[in-house]
Amino acid sequence: DAGVIQSPRHEVTEMGQEVTLRCKPISGHNSLFWYRQTMMRGLELLIYFNNNVPIDDSGMPEDRFSAKMPNASFSTLKIQPSEPRDSAVYFCASSLALRTGGEAFFGQGTRLTVV
Amino acid sequence: QQPVQSPQAVILREGEDAVINCSSSKALYSVHWYRQKHGEAPVFLMILLKGGEQKGHDKISASFNEKKQQSSLYLTASQLSYSGTYFCGTEIGSNTGKLIFGQGTTLQVKP
Repeated sequence: DAGVIQSPRHEVTEMGQEVTLRCKPISGHNSLFWYRQTMMRGLELLIYFNNNVPIDDSGMPEDRFSAKMPNASFSTLKIQPSEPRDSAVYFCASSLALRTGGEAFFGQGTRLTVV
Repeated sequence: QQPVQSPQAVILREGEDAVINCSSSKALYSVHWYRQKHGEAPVFLMILLKGGEQKGHDKISASFNEKKQQSSLYLTASQLSYSGTYFCGTEIGSNTGKLIFGQGTTLQVKP
């Protein structure tokens, strides 16, 4: 397997624009996480899916952020409208969670810069 | 809910030992440890599933004290390749898989 695949790797956008980040989890994994990493806040959990269903979105900063997982092999994180404070590295991770969470495999991340 | 790691940063010479601690105010179901190199994604090191469990590979090991809601990562005879930021991730509820990370501990190993 190629691992967790995220696109794009880098995104530079202007304030107010819509941004869509994409993630393809590892085949067979049933849990998917979106994290945001900044120097100030570290690795923040934004939202967590299990079997394509959003289980916990309490980490989503505000209504400008939304995430979907239409099927087991694809997820998106959308920011609309984007703001400079959204600049960060966004990681997608997947795992096989059975009785307990398994090892989480991270994608290479999307570095988002909002100017 | 975020676990607390200590220390925030460590500087070592090659061959020295280090301990990184992770504690939670909530009961822990499991503890995960990850290492992240600069500009890269976090990489899994190990999971501890039971209170009192200890694991290790090579010269990196970890323990999990369920009662104290703490875990410690031990790096023995550190190598240059150990440099990076170490994160503990905790699962608070059972059967959730929800993984929340501490703020990280930056480890720098010098020759």
